[in-house]
Amino acid sequence: DADVTQTPRNRITKTGKRIMLECSQTKGHDRMYWYRQDPGLGLRLIYYSFDVKDINKGEISDGYSVSRQAQAKFSLSLESAIPNQTALYFCATSDTSVSYNEQFFGPGTRLTVL
Amino acid sequence: RKEVEQDPGPFNVPEGATVAFNCTYSNSASQSFFWYRQDCRKEPKLLMSVYSSGNEDGRFTAQLNRASQYISLLIRDSKLSDSATYLCVVNEYSTLTFGKGTMLLVSP
Repeated sequence: DADVTQTPRNRITKTGKRIMLECSQTKGHDRMYWYRQDPGLGLRLIYYSFDVKDINKGEISDGYSVSRQAQAKFSLSLESAIPNQTALYFCATSDTSVSYNEQFFGPGTRLTVL
Repeated sequence: RKEVEQDPGPFNVPEGATVAFNCTYSNSASQSFFWYRQDCRKEPKLLMSVYSSGNEDGRFTAQLNRASQYISLLIRDSKLSDSATYLCVVNEYSTLTFGKGTMLLVSP
């Protein structure tokens, strides 16, 4: 079984709809991250959480919100989806005790907003 | 904005060739460095961390030059399976900044 899982893997939705992307991990890591990837722009950080009570905005948090329901679960919500949020979304985890902060990624969610 | 710059490529090389990728970063306070590999439409996967003294893992060698803010990745004896996009990644205060990647295409 994969250590970092994301659901759904693919989603098509319409402008204005609320959508939630979910991430779960069995690695026992305390830190979790959400990124989006767009062609030509690379990966950009949306939100990150260093533990259950800690939530931080990343580079591009506008239009998104997150919830850290447990150490193993971190959800990303789009309250009112818009077409320019069409992208590939990745969740990642890392372990505070590892000084280099290597991050491990889930398989991604491909989101299309029509 | 923190920047990590890479040549997007593509680098087209034959099997068995040696190929090198370079990367520069803008924040001198960066703490640690990585190369990730990403196959088309898949998640990035950690290829190797880059240590100050340089490090090698099989056919892959990574070098760091802090004074020039420069990171390199050398791949020897390229395989078809090495075809992918290679992401240069910099850790600054527990968040990672990703380069846009360099595409490598290895042909028979």
